[in-house]
Amino acid sequence: AQSVAQPEDQVNVAEGNPLTVKCTYSVSGNPYLFWYVQYPNRGLQFLLKYITGDNLVKGSYGFEAEFNKSQTSFHLKKPSALVSDSALYFCAVRASGSARQLTFGSGTQLTVLP
Amino acid sequence: DGGITQSPKYLFRKEGQNVTLSCEQNLNHDAMYWYRQDPGQGLRLIYYSQIVNDFQKGDIAEGYSVSREKKESFPLTVTSAQKNPTAFYLCASSINTGELFFGEGSRLTVL
Repeated sequence: AQSVAQPEDQVNVAEGNPLTVKCTYSVSGNPYLFWYVQYPNRGLQFLLKYITGDNLVKGSYGFEAEFNKSQTSFHLKKPSALVSDSALYFCAVRASGSARQLTFGSGTQLTVLP
Repeated sequence: DGGITQSPKYLFRKEGQNVTLSCEQNLNHDAMYWYRQDPGQGLRLIYYSQIVNDFQKGDIAEGYSVSREKKESFPLTVTSAQKNPTAFYLCASSINTGELFFGEGSRLTVL
């Protein structure tokens, strides 16, 4: 079985401060890991992915994520938060080489305070 | 522009009615998916299709049906057998590495 945990339902951060949205996963074999962002009443937008290679992945809008195999984590980070980053963030996982579909976390609501 | 188009954006259904949500993509992706989103529960997979004329049940397929007669189209029917259909429905397509591209969603409300 594969699963994703986003331990924080809500994260608040001041504008200009660094932000972190946490994600841990469980999967058999090597993982494919993804982050998506969702604005109210909209579809999900792809931010970044880890398939293989460098553990630090850079994505859209200045976001990055660090893959940590020993801690089975894939936390989303941004050095300086913007008010416009306020949205719902989803982490997702799939085992490489598996026919199984993506499993999503329950989401973390990020609020950036001006 | 390439993308996924879902319609309608908002839909109201009376008890006992079937409704069909449209999903069209021009990305030339083989695989398409339907997800249901409820507050605090993330996304749950309803059905997916990896090739034309073939589809598989996801985690919550009961009360739903799909067809895949064309590569570009993957409509979802919410039947009267679905006891709690009020939700936000998301259609997606994917490339080989599993990265999903989503439509803008359809919000279904049962009156």
